[in-house]
Amino acid sequence: DAGVIQSPRHEVTEMGQEVTLRCKPISGHNSLFWYRQTMMRGLELLIYFNNNVPIDDSGMPEDRFSAKMPNASFSTLKIQPSEPRDSAVYFCASSRQGAAGELFFGEGSRLTVL
Amino acid sequence: GENVEQHPSTLSVQEGDSAVIKCTYSDSASNYFPWYKQELGKRPQLIIDIRSNVGEKKDQRIAVTLNKTAKHFSLHITETQPEDSAVYFCAARDTGGFKTIFGAGTRLFVKA
Repeated sequence: DAGVIQSPRHEVTEMGQEVTLRCKPISGHNSLFWYRQTMMRGLELLIYFNNNVPIDDSGMPEDRFSAKMPNASFSTLKIQPSEPRDSAVYFCASSRQGAAGELFFGEGSRLTVL
Repeated sequence: GENVEQHPSTLSVQEGDSAVIKCTYSDSASNYFPWYKQELGKRPQLIIDIRSNVGEKKDQRIAVTLNKTAKHFSLHITETQPEDSAVYFCAARDTGGFKTIFGAGTRLFVKA
């Protein structure tokens, strides 16, 4: 199993640009989570999906953030327009609903907005 | 919603000593409490977990305890080694089985 795959691993962009982060969950996992990690705020849950349906997006900081899961093997997190305060590591994680509950994290996407 | 508080934020111990990290949670409906270890520049990975119907669980040098009445749970690492140096996160999951909320993390330094 390849694990959760995220891309890009690193992204440097300028303020105002659109950023798209991508995630491929582990095959067979039906829950997908997007977390943001910063020194100040730790690991924040942004949004999660179950069976491709967004369940709770209350952690999404602003309307500039949006996430989609068009099928069981792909999700995107988009920031438009990006701002310097969006700089963080964004983790995608997946799990099997109703199972042990372990979250399997991807390697993360480090975003720097100049 | 659930809120998880974690203490201390930083912990420094001598190799061979024990380390204890404590967490509290707010939602009495939470029933699953995992602990994740994150090494520098790496992803968080599960090291041990405990469910609400169990008071204690042990796996070699690490153990977790849960006090549901007080809404406290703790991680204990014995005979610490330099490779235990990392950030440790406690977390709580709601009964719906979806939402895992993390504590702020504890940076553990094990001095050789």
